[in-house]
This record gives sequence, structure tokens and C-alpha cells, in this order.
Amino acid sequence: DAKTTQPPSMDCAEGRAANLPCNHSTISGNEYVYWYRQIHSQGPQYIIHGLKNNETNEMASLIITEDRKSSTLILPHATLRDTAVYYCIVDLRGAGNMLTFGGGTRLMVKP
Amino acid sequence: GAVVSQHPSWVICKSGTSVKIECRSLDFQATTMFWYRQFPKQSLMLMATSNEGSKATYEQGVEKDKFLINHASLTLSTLTVTSAHPEDSSFYICSATIPATGELFFGEGSRLTVL
Repeated sequence: DAKTTQPPSMDCAEGRAANLPCNHSTISGNEYVYWYRQIHSQGPQYIIHGLKNNETNEMASLIITEDRKSSTLILPHATLRDTAVYYCIVDLRGAGNMLTFGGGTRLMVKP
Repeated sequence: GAVVSQHPSWVICKSGTSVKIECRSLDFQATTMFWYRQFPKQSLMLMATSNEGSKATYEQGVEKDKFLINHASLTLSTLTVTSAHPEDSSFYICSATIPATGELFFGEGSRLTVL
């Protein structure tokens, strides 16, 4: 699995967009970018994933650079309940493999 | 959507006793489940891969005789922490894969405290 690099922590004002970056410079052509988050004392929650194109769902948007070496998760209107650790993971979709978690980014949404 | 459930969500036990944690896939069959351990303020660390009908595959440094994994059916995997000690206190999380799509879902986690 490709290694990812994320800032250890970020702050965001409530109601503003939270932009969480992730570097994955060694990603291979068939690896997807996955984002999960973990709210304190809960299991990880799936947010979104993508291969090449930008993706959007009800939770977030995922912007992947053209060279696929980095991506950004965007929470358009952060709320206090979005305070969590966000993990960026690259993995082969459908491989049934376990996901390897890095350190993640601890996002603190402040009033 | 698919749900993975763990039980118990938290447990306190005395040192030297054994504790069993269950992981169930509620609306799909999971041939493979994964067990993770998470210490405070650290990331999830994979402990083992649980395969239905066969022996689990353990990650390096994880004692298979201490952390017994049984995956007896397509919807249930159990992790038994044998002769638990205070250093085994941790947050244990399971995940399960839908075979057809490869989608991965996580359980709510089980917090073990060994006194």
C-alpha cells in the first residue's frame, strides 16, 4: 500500500469549509484514495473514495490532483460534530485487503 | 446500508481472566474480517485477519495464543483475549468486507479495561 502523509492537526471555524490535504506521491495506477474518519471512542466511518475524478457525496467532496499524488477532502460547512480524526488511505478497491491506517489529521471544529 | 456490530461495547475485567469480543456482519456475509487494536491517541493497528473456516493470520508481534480468533460462520468472528493483563487494555475494532464489492465496514469498537 502507498504511504500517505497528512498534517497531524487542523482547526476550522464552524460553518466554514474544512479542507484536509493528503499526500500520496507513491500511489500506483490502480489504487484508490479512501477517506475515513473516527470520532472519539467509535469505529472508523467511511466518508468517500475516488480513483481519478473528483467525487462528491452527501458528506464531502474529494479533489484528486491530475497526477494523483495528492488529494483534498472538503467538508463544505463544518459543524462541531465533524470534530474527529480523518484518515486518508490508498488501497486497491475490491481487493478485500485490510486498510493500513496512518496517523490521520485531527480536525477540531470550533464555534 | 451494511452494518458491522461489536459486542460488548465496553468491558472491565480482572487481570488473569479471559474476555471474548464478538463481531457480527448484520446484513451481509463476510468471508474475511479484520481485527484492529487502538491505544489512546494512536492510530489503528491491524492485529489479525480472520478467515471463515480457516485459521486467522496474525500480524508480526501479535501473540496468536493470547488473542484467539474464531470465525466459525459467515457473519460472526470472535476475539478472545486470554489471561488479560492491564497492558491489554485498549480499544478493539473489527471490520468486515463485502466479498462482491470489496467495501469495508467497521464495527463500533469494544473498549477493554483490565484491572
